[in-house]
Amino acid sequence: TQLLEQSPQFLSIQEGENLTVYCNSSSVFSSLQWYRQEPGEGPVLLVTVVTGGEVKKLKRLTFQFGDARKDSSLHITAAQPGDTGLYLCAGAAGANNLFFGTGTRLTVIP
Amino acid sequence: DAGITQSPRHKVTETGTPVTLRCHQTENHRYMYWYRQDPGHGLRLIHYSYGVKDTDKGEVSDGYSVSRSKTEDFLLTLESATSSQTSVYFCAISELGQKNTEAFFGQGTRLTVV
Repeated sequence: TQLLEQSPQFLSIQEGENLTVYCNSSSVFSSLQWYRQEPGEGPVLLVTVVTGGEVKKLKRLTFQFGDARKDSSLHITAAQPGDTGLYLCAGAAGANNLFFGTGTRLTVIP
Repeated sequence: DAGITQSPRHKVTETGTPVTLRCHQTENHRYMYWYRQDPGHGLRLIHYSYGVKDTDKGEVSDGYSVSRSKTEDFLLTLESATSSQTSVYFCAISELGQKNTEAFFGQGTRLTVV
């Protein structure tokens, strides 16, 4: 099992604040994906990062893949209540397997 | 939304009974997956399929079997349900394999084994 640890597990912030979520592993991944999951729904893909050191931006969300392809971070600028949800990172290894992190549950208070 | 339908959405069953969960897709994607999601464990892969009648084990396959007789349907069977199999089960589909392309998830099936 290739463990992906996410931190923090829970995060509650005020609207307008910035935050960073971390995804760490001792394993190297060929690519890493970030998903957001809302209650009663399945996860929805936000981004895929492939190259070590890669940075991708999606509006107020910035994703970074570590140089060694073992870790990643998600930074949200000026969080909004619509950002509330469970954020999951997932590392790709082997021919066809995704290993998911345990998730960060974010609550943005209006 | 990607055309993925899981059934049933909720089920309560007794220990020792067989249970089958169904995943139906209308996207004609090659790959289909079954995951379980538990607090503190995230999503874990049970089995996946890369074509009709082509399946392989995932991380937590013990106690589960799958079948894919048609492109659009992927069935997950618990031959004899145990309380440890109480979980939320998600089906996912992708065209080229999750390593390289987006996986679309169903809405989940909440299974309780009493």
